[in-house]
Amino acid sequence: AQKVTQAQTEISVVEKEDVTLDCVYETRDTTYYLFWYKQPPSGELVFLIRRNSFDEQNEISGRYSWNFQKSTSSFNFTITASQVVDSAVYFCALGGGSGGGADGLTFGKGTHLIIQP
Amino acid sequence: ETGVTQSPTHLIKTRGQQVTLRCSSQSGHNTVSWYQQALGQGPQFIFQYYREEENGRGNFPPRFSGLQFPNYSSELNVNALELDDSALYLCASSLGRAVGYNEQFFGPGTRLTVL
Repeated sequence: AQKVTQAQTEISVVEKEDVTLDCVYETRDTTYYLFWYKQPPSGELVFLIRRNSFDEQNEISGRYSWNFQKSTSSFNFTITASQVVDSAVYFCALGGGSGGGADGLTFGKGTHLIIQP
Repeated sequence: ETGVTQSPTHLIKTRGQQVTLRCSSQSGHNTVSWYQQALGQGPQFIFQYYREEENGRGNFPPRFSGLQFPNYSSELNVNALELDDSALYLCASSLGRAVGYNEQFFGPGTRLTVL
């Protein structure tokens, strides 16, 4: 069975601080995909990134960066110089598996990020 | 390009009733997935439809059923509503049958309250 753990329920920082959201996953599959989604108060999930299990290169997109480490089964997300607009719930998710990708995504419980002005 | 839309926005039902939620996919997408998100939790996969056939299902009982139409829009039906069915129901569309591999585009959700 697949599992995603986001141990940080809520994080509160002051604007312009850097913040890292942790994600640890469990799977027995060799081929899988990892995702991060952002859920603002409006409710719809916004796609941020997808990573496959064979690509461990870190990725940077503007103020966002992701660190994928298979050795520790982690896929952490860092926001540099945080802004109030970054306030949201962030979900890490795992996809793939023996169903050939037809098993949907397994989500963590989410981290509520609060950026204070 | 029109995004994923869902209707209604909010719904209140009583225990034992039946409900139908609707979703319009993003243009060009042939796969629709449904997720249930309880308050304070992450979304849980209910099922997915690819080209009008259910081809993946999560750990939900048969009273959760669905349809996908030729235009790739979709319905989620829940029979014999229970109090625990109160949640935000999210629809997501994508291209290709392997939703676990692909970027999904989510709608704003339908908030269902069961009294």
